[in-house]
Order: sequence, then structure tokens, then C-alpha cells
Amino acid sequence: GAVVSQHPSWVICKSGTSVKIECRSLDFQATTMFWYRQFPKQSLMLMATSNEGSKATYEQGVEKDKFLINHASLTLSTLTVTSAHPEDSSFYICSARGSSGGYNEQFFGPGTRLTVL
Amino acid sequence: LAKTTQPISMDSYEGQEVNITCSHNNIATNDYITWYQQFPSQGPRFIIQGYKTKVTNEVASLFIPADRKSSTLSLPRVSLSDTAVYYCLVGDRASGTYKYIFGTGTRLKVLA
Repeated sequence: GAVVSQHPSWVICKSGTSVKIECRSLDFQATTMFWYRQFPKQSLMLMATSNEGSKATYEQGVEKDKFLINHASLTLSTLTVTSAHPEDSSFYICSARGSSGGYNEQFFGPGTRLTVL
Repeated sequence: LAKTTQPISMDSYEGQEVNITCSHNNIATNDYITWYQQFPSQGPRFIIQGYKTKVTNEVASLFIPADRKSSTLSLPRVSLSDTAVYYCLVGDRASGTYKYIFGTGTRLKVLA
């Protein structure tokens, strides 16, 4: 099946710094990628949807200036958490939908654990 | 808002069959029903997907009645390693963007 990778798998940073998380589709072209955030013992919360070459669409309540999403190629999307604070500590998961598959096919990455001190 | 409703948690014993039902009253004509499994600190893993009637693969079966307003994931003979959170998803085509909205999921605990 299709594989989605994330890098890094975990990151610890100081408050006020920015952190970039990469999401790559390894063996297919992803026209659409999604970013989720998950707090402990909670469900995944969709943050934004990004289509290759266009601006991301953010869900209500998600600050677009804080969570910068770039989907510059068909295999790579990045999420940058700017000026991170402890409340941004969470598990960030991306998923990708291929251009050849049906729109129901969505493949998830392994997630990135962000801890802000 | 999540478009699906599932029991929050279930307990089962090893070797038993587990059925998890999901309600999706507002499913759209073109929506598929997809189930994912998630272990702690991992991304969701695809289990099975279906549109109507019954679908079976090597790990699970999915039963979908004719009105498609609900679906049931069936896990045969569960083992301790099946302890995880199970999510039922249908597509959300609001705003013209097809996206998945996760509900609470069902936390399955398999006991020895």
C-alpha cells in the first residue's frame, strides 16, 4: 500500500522557537494532504487541508499564522509551528490522498510528537 | 462536527468476536465508510473500507445495511494486540472539500 512518512518522529523545543514538520508521500503523488492534531486520549482533530500549489484551507479555530502549511510539491507538505508554546505540545499527524486513487483513499503518516518546554 | 457516532469503549476477551457499530445518519450518496485502527503514539492504520453490503479482508469484515446509515466492523477472534482505538469515518463534502472528520472512536480493550 501507499506509504506516508513524517519527519521528525519527535521533537523537543524551547518556547518561542519555530518547528517544521515534514510529510512525504513515498510512492505516490499526493494532490491533497491533511494535517491533524491529537491530544492525549482524544481523537484526531483536523487542522487544515492543503492542495498542491495552492493555499491551505484551515479549519475553524486554527490560527493560520501560527501553523504555516506549505504543499509545494506532489510528494511533500510541511507544517511549521511558529513561536511554539507549551500548549502547542501535541501529536501531529499528516495524511495524504493520491491523485490516481479515489477520493476515499487516504493514507496516514506515523505522526510527530512535539514537546514545547 | 463529526458525522459518526460510536460507543466510546468496549471490553472483550481473547478469542471472542468483536462487533463495533457506527452510526452515520447523514452519509452522502457517494461516501464510502472506512475504518481505521490506532495504537498510542502512532498514526491511524487502515482496516477496511466499503460502500454497501458486506466487505471482508484478511483482518476484518464490514457490514453495511441497505440504508447505509450505520455500519458494523467485525473483528474475528481478537487477541491482546487488538487493543486499540477504532475509528469509523465517512467523507465530509461540506464546503466542496472532501475530508475526513474523526469522531471519538471506540477504545477496545482485549482482556486475557
